[in-house]
Amino acid sequence: DTEVTQTPKHLVMGMTNKKSLKCEQHMGHRAMYWYKQKAKKPPELMFVYSYEKLSINESVPSRFSPECPNSSLLNLHLHALQPEDSALYLCASRAGTSGRGNTQYFGPGTRLTVL
Amino acid sequence: GEDVEQSLFLSVREGDSSVINCTYTDSSSTYLYWYKQEPGAGLQLLTYIFSNMDMKQDQRLTVLLNKKDKHLSLRIADTQTGDSAIYFCAESKTAGNKLTFGGGTRVLVKP
Repeated sequence: DTEVTQTPKHLVMGMTNKKSLKCEQHMGHRAMYWYKQKAKKPPELMFVYSYEKLSINESVPSRFSPECPNSSLLNLHLHALQPEDSALYLCASRAGTSGRGNTQYFGPGTRLTVL
Repeated sequence: GEDVEQSLFLSVREGDSSVINCTYTDSSSTYLYWYKQEPGAGLQLLTYIFSNMDMKQDQRLTVLLNKKDKHLSLRIADTQTGDSAIYFCAESKTAGNKLTFGGGTRVLVKP
């Protein structure tokens, strides 16, 4: 099973709202990722958690706040977003070992619209 | 720096073979991937190849790697309408956390 789940599927929020995106995997993977994808573009890396610790932050604005409560769960907390933050937010996980474990598996994404 | 490039668009007739091409610049790339993305969906891993391989076949999919020219291709045999999607190639290093994606190739399969 190579399933990564994300909730909600769609989210509409105002610029003053606080919301959270959730990602879950039960494959025992030790690295988890958040990506942002705009239409007709490749995914852009935002954050990487490795063994539940933040290992990479690609200079993401502080209105995006990641959290990794345990090895299966990854959250992205959103606050005071701008309309240009509207995008598809993708979560991915990786086993964290060499060989096949270097492969990232993606979830279906959350389509975020900021009004 | 790292760079991965793909052509933007490919049109193919149902039943024909499709070939999607990708070039990369980083000679230390060790893993090369093909992902498929249908409209409104996430990325589906199709296949991957290690840099010490020249070819990998998986049912209708054939990946060819020319490491000397840093060129990767994905051939889809007997292309179906369900193969219409955006295809991304990506590369990563041996112990790297990061994927570098190409810009994606939109494949349109015509009946």
